Amino acid sequence: DIQMTQFPSSLSATIGDRVTITCRASQAISNYISWYQQRPGKAPNLLIYAAVNLQSGVPSRFSGSGSGTDYTLTISSLQPEDLATYYCHQSYSTPQGTFGQGTKLEI
Amino acid sequence: DVHLVESGGGLVQPGGSLRLSCAASGFTFRDYRMDWVRQAAGKGLEFVSRVNYDGSSIIYADSVKGRFTISRDNANNMLYLQMNSLRAEDTAIYYCVRVDVVVAARLFYYMDVWGQGTTVAVSS
Repeated sequence: DIQMTQFPSSLSATIGDRVTITCRASQAISNYISWYQQRPGKAPNLLIYAAVNLQSGVPSRFSGSGSGTDYTLTISSLQPEDLATYYCHQSYSTPQGTFGQGTKLEI
Repeated sequence: DVHLVESGGGLVQPGGSLRLSCAASGFTFRDYRMDWVRQAAGKGLEFVSRVNYDGSSIIYADSVKGRFTISRDNANNMLYLQMNSLRAEDTAIYYCVRVDVVVAARLFYYMDVWGQGTTVAVSS
């Protein structure tokens, strides 16, 4: 199955920073990637689907990009409520796909 | 508002059984595939099972195949997960998840609504 490697596994940033999280697939996944935010003690929440599409209700400071094997989630100006762990998920290889291992964002 | 509310979690001994339920509201339940996804304490997300619109197509993670059974009741907007032969490694928060799809060259599935989760602990 396709493996998803996220990096960094953790990072510390300051309010207002531009933050980038990358997910690398073990083979090309043709934009079949979504991104999720999980705040501490809460359920995951969909941010981005099909690599670049912002889910309804998600702040516009979040954006997605990428192609082939490398995909990026960007937060343009970090806010306190963005403290969370972020996961990527691919569903190119199989309907259920695979998750990345997560990136813990500390502020 | 779209809501998914899980219930049925608890403490069970190894080898025991548990049935999780998920009550869906705010959307046309029969129009969506539904998943169970779990998360062990301090760990990442793990797909458990998916059921299609009418229950005719089901997939399981290898780790639960033969032990867990997913089902749905479209008349009552309910999703279920019957868990048998439970092991310590099944200990996790179990999330009920709605699956949406983008029709492209091949179907793109993504998990657009998550419940708050129910906790399952397998221990003697």
